[in-house]
This record gives sequence, structure tokens and C-alpha cells, in this order.
Amino acid sequence: DSGVTQTPKHLITATGQRVTLRCSPRSGDLSVYWYQQSLDQGLQFLIQYYNGEERAKGNILERFSAQQFPDLHSELNLSSLELGDSALYFCASSVVDRPGNTIYFGEGSWLTVV
Amino acid sequence: GENVGLHLPTLSVQEGDNSIINCAYSNSASDYFIWYKQESGKGPQFIIDIRSNMDKRQGQRVTVLLNKTVKHLSLQIAATQPGDSAVYFCAESPQTNFGNEKLTFGTGTRLTIIP
Repeated sequence: DSGVTQTPKHLITATGQRVTLRCSPRSGDLSVYWYQQSLDQGLQFLIQYYNGEERAKGNILERFSAQQFPDLHSELNLSSLELGDSALYFCASSVVDRPGNTIYFGEGSWLTVV
Repeated sequence: GENVGLHLPTLSVQEGDNSIINCAYSNSASDYFIWYKQESGKGPQFIIDIRSNMDKRQGQRVTVLLNKTVKHLSLQIAATQPGDSAVYFCAESPQTNFGNEKLTFGTGTRLTIIP
């Protein structure tokens, strides 16, 4: 158990809908990261937050957004869902904001868009 | 663009033997490298990491070797066990002021341990 908690574990929704994925980082971790893992794209970095502020953006679509709350939990919002958004979405966290800190991953949220 | 890639997508090893998983990277600015293990249905699990100022680091049954000259990273697993069967990812991060936000993952190698 990495200490990173993600909910829901599985989610099935229709195209055009909106979903919210939730993440609780490890206790004491200030950085939260979101990754998308699909069969054809591998693990892709989406976005990073540090202590409530957006720190870096990766390959995140405009239909997706995220935020980190004062209690450090984070949410990833996916809207206008398309079939291609079906993937495993991982949240990860690390303790401080410098290179070389271990990033711990949650178990992921399986999103299926039908 | 910069990428991290794996030489072999699959690897089968007899239980008890040693295994070596290789990874090539192209970003010369990479400063920090990590190996993750991902079992089916689970999130990536940290195995071992290494900074660019080192060429070897050992853990429990695992060793990571870094050759910056040829931009090559390898993970050696000694005395493999059935529980080592998983997909292994290398990941790299360039030196930044802000942390691991540019962590880039390779495509992964599936390691199968044959009993």
C-alpha cells in the first residue's frame, strides 16, 4: 500500500458526460501528480500540483482540469468524455518539491466511456 | 521530441535466474532515473532510483546501472521469484528547480518468471 488513495476504483459513464476522480496523497506529501495510462499511450503525465498551486502541465486536454485543495487532496475533472478517454488514471504524490523525491502511485481509477 | 524507450517489450526468465531489463533515454538533461514495477490491476510501485552523478546503485535483489555515455539504464533482478512477474517501467526526469513534474515513462517491459 503506497498510502495514496484514489476513488472511485472503477467508473463507467457515457460519452459527453463529466466525471470527477479524487485523490488523497500520502500523509505529508505536498506534490500531487496525475497520470493517464492507456494501452496505446503508456503512462502519460497530465498535471502536477504543489501545495495547492499548479506546477506543471503535461499532455492534458482542455476538457480536463484539476485542482488541489487546502487539505492537499486533489480532483481531476474530465468533461465531454469521449470513447478515447477510457483509461486508467493514476494519482501520485511526493513529499517535497525537488528532483529526486520518490513518487508514490495510487492504485488508479479505471474509467470506461461507453 | 525527447523520449525514454525500452529495448525489449517482453522478457521470460527461469525462476532463480537473474534478469536484466534495459532502457534507453535520449534526453541528455535527464538527472534522475527511476524503475517502477506494475503488477496487473495495480499502480506503479517504486523499486529503485539513481541520480546522474552515480553509475550504480543496489537495493534488495535489485541493482540499477546508469551509463550516461550511451544514455542507457538497466535494472538487474537477482534470483528472480514468481512475484517478480510484472511490467517494469523506467522513468526519467531532467534536473529542474521544481521537482519531478517532467517524469517521463518508458513503454514498459513485461517480465515473466517461469516456475
